[in-house]
Amino acid sequence: AQSVTQLDSHVSVSEGTPVLLRCNYSSSYSPSLFWYVQHPNKGLQLLLKYTSAATLVKGINGFEAEFKKSETSFHLTKPSAHMSDAAEYFCVVAYNQAGTALIFGKGTTLSVSS
Amino acid sequence: GAVVSQHPSRVICKSGTSVKIECRSLDFQATTMFWYRQFPKQSLMLMATSNEGSKATYEQGVEKDKFLINHASLTLSTLTVTSAHPEDSSFYICSASLDYGYTFGSGTRLTVV
Repeated sequence: AQSVTQLDSHVSVSEGTPVLLRCNYSSSYSPSLFWYVQHPNKGLQLLLKYTSAATLVKGINGFEAEFKKSETSFHLTKPSAHMSDAAEYFCVVAYNQAGTALIFGKGTTLSVSS
Repeated sequence: GAVVSQHPSRVICKSGTSVKIECRSLDFQATTMFWYRQFPKQSLMLMATSNEGSKATYEQGVEKDKFLINHASLTLSTLTVTSAHPEDSSFYICSASLDYGYTFGSGTRLTVV
């Protein structure tokens, strides 16, 4: 069965320090992978997506993620956290590019302290 | 880029009444629309998949008579929560499938009192 696991439910960092949000997926196929961010009481914003092109994907707001097939991972990173990065982050997998629903991880809450 | 407009963003209704949530694709045709539900501090769970002109496909455990989905045109899909109860209070989000990915509505916060 297809699934996506976010390894940390909550990550706390200080402003200016690196961010690492971990995600693993299970798949028998080559998936499309996404990271979305959700601020409180808001909708979802796409940070970045992997669709079988370059394995290192750069997204908005300085975020990037690396697809590692051997580890079935798609961890999200940012070199330097900003207070505005505090939000809920979802790792999401799709097994076709279109026409099938997304599978969401349970989310990781990122807290950033000054 | 492709935009899905979701309304209302927030609604409070009395127990036993019905609430309709609309999702409109503004600059593209949405053949398929997904409806998700998100409980507080939890992830998004797929409720149903709707295809224009046909009946929606509901996920296991989702009551199709309670959550009515209509996708009568390529630009409009609606979710009606019938006879709402406090346990239906949640955040509902629609999503359209595109050739290059997905786009989401901004969500509807439903509170049933």
